Amino acid sequence: SQQGEEDPQALSIQEGENATMNCSYKTSINNLQWYRQNSGRGLVHLILIRSNEREKHSGRLRVTLDTSKKSSSLLITASRAADTASYFCATDFRTNSKLTFGKGITLSVRP
Amino acid sequence: AAGVIQSPRHLIKEKRETATLKCYPIPRHDTVYWYQQGPGQDPQFLISFYEKMQSDKGSIPDRFSAQQFSDYHSELNMSSLELGDSALYFCASSLVRGLAGGGNEQFFGPGTRLTVL
Repeated sequence: SQQGEEDPQALSIQEGENATMNCSYKTSINNLQWYRQNSGRGLVHLILIRSNEREKHSGRLRVTLDTSKKSSSLLITASRAADTASYFCATDFRTNSKLTFGKGITLSVRP
Repeated sequence: AAGVIQSPRHLIKEKRETATLKCYPIPRHDTVYWYQQGPGQDPQFLISFYEKMQSDKGSIPDRFSAQQFSDYHSELNMSSLELGDSALYFCASSLVRGLAGGGNEQFFGPGTRLTVL
């Protein structure tokens, strides 16, 4: 069964705007990670947030985690055309377990 | 910094043929994972190895097998290929040893695009 479900499925914004993508999951998790994938290419690790953390920052990225609602959000501030990609959230239930991916959000940043 | 290496990057096979995909994890990483991503789909976990032993198994067909070698590289062997096996196959690696209740950043290779004709 699908674990992470991203919301919205597609997002189109103007360069310089902020982009917010949401992810929900169904079962208890150990960590939640966000990945970026340019069309047909590899998955780039963006950020990991642990189940006991509520917010984490990395450069222009801000991730929040609400375990009571089983949801996470990824905020990209001051977006750039180069941020155009698909974004996936992925969860695991223990340290060396598999990742369960959601469906992905397609972000288009217009120059 | 060294990344995960996968070979080949592209592979074209006929139905019923076999294919072998290779993965070289980041040095000193002890865990390797294989994922399959169909067109327009999210990645699906196939199998993983920790310290050369199979640690978890997902929706991997019986026609597929994998192993991790003494140098930590891993190979995914696929036999009796079907059209539906056409996908991107990713290998990821992580360092698990020594972590306590956290971590598990999985770093992905560029993938092997398999096309079955």
